[in-house]
Amino acid sequence: NAGVMQNPRHLVRRRGQEARLRCSPMKGHSHVYWYRQLPEEGLKFMVYLQKENIIDESGMPKERFSAEFPKEGPSILRIQQVVRGDSAAYFCASSQTSGRDEQFFGPGTRLTVL
Amino acid sequence: GENVEQHPSTLSVQEGDSAVIKCTYSDSASNYFPWYKQELGKGPQLIIDIRSNVGEKKDQRIAVTLNKTAKHFSLHITETQPEDSAVYFCAAIGGGADGLTFGKGTHLIIQP
Repeated sequence: NAGVMQNPRHLVRRRGQEARLRCSPMKGHSHVYWYRQLPEEGLKFMVYLQKENIIDESGMPKERFSAEFPKEGPSILRIQQVVRGDSAAYFCASSQTSGRDEQFFGPGTRLTVL
Repeated sequence: GENVEQHPSTLSVQEGDSAVIKCTYSDSASNYFPWYKQELGKGPQLIIDIRSNVGEKKDQRIAVTLNKTAKHFSLHITETQPEDSAVYFCAAIGGGADGLTFGKGTHLIIQP
């Protein structure tokens, strides 16, 4: 019974490059959430997706960030033209129903921008 | 939107003693309050949660209490053990939101 899977676990990018983070939800879960954690801080909600739909992107920066959850395959968080301030741990969570259901987190992707 | 405050930021207790972490929230429409444990280099692990129609919930050494009137909830860990050392986060989800709002975390240190 695999949990939430994220890859890569560590990602290093130079300023201006693109970062792609992948998330496969738990089996049977169709709701995916992305959160960002800066050093010594709590997690901040970014976006909530269901298959082929973005439901709530109120926490996602308006520029350079995008997310998708296609019919087939993992959810992708894409950061274009990365800057040093994008360095953080990015966590994906999934739930069986809505956000008021238990959310289970993956191990995270630690992005470092040089 | 929702705002969650968490105290203390660091808590050191002797092994075998109890630990209490407190959180307050701002949105009276919030109705789901989970607690997560995060170990170094790992993702948050859900350890217990409570919904607004319940005042207390217990699971072995861990309990959570909720006071809706005062808008605060607390995590209680009894008979602490070295493996309880971690960062603990409280969270809440508001009436109109889809994502969790987290507190800033409590670093729990269990002294042998």
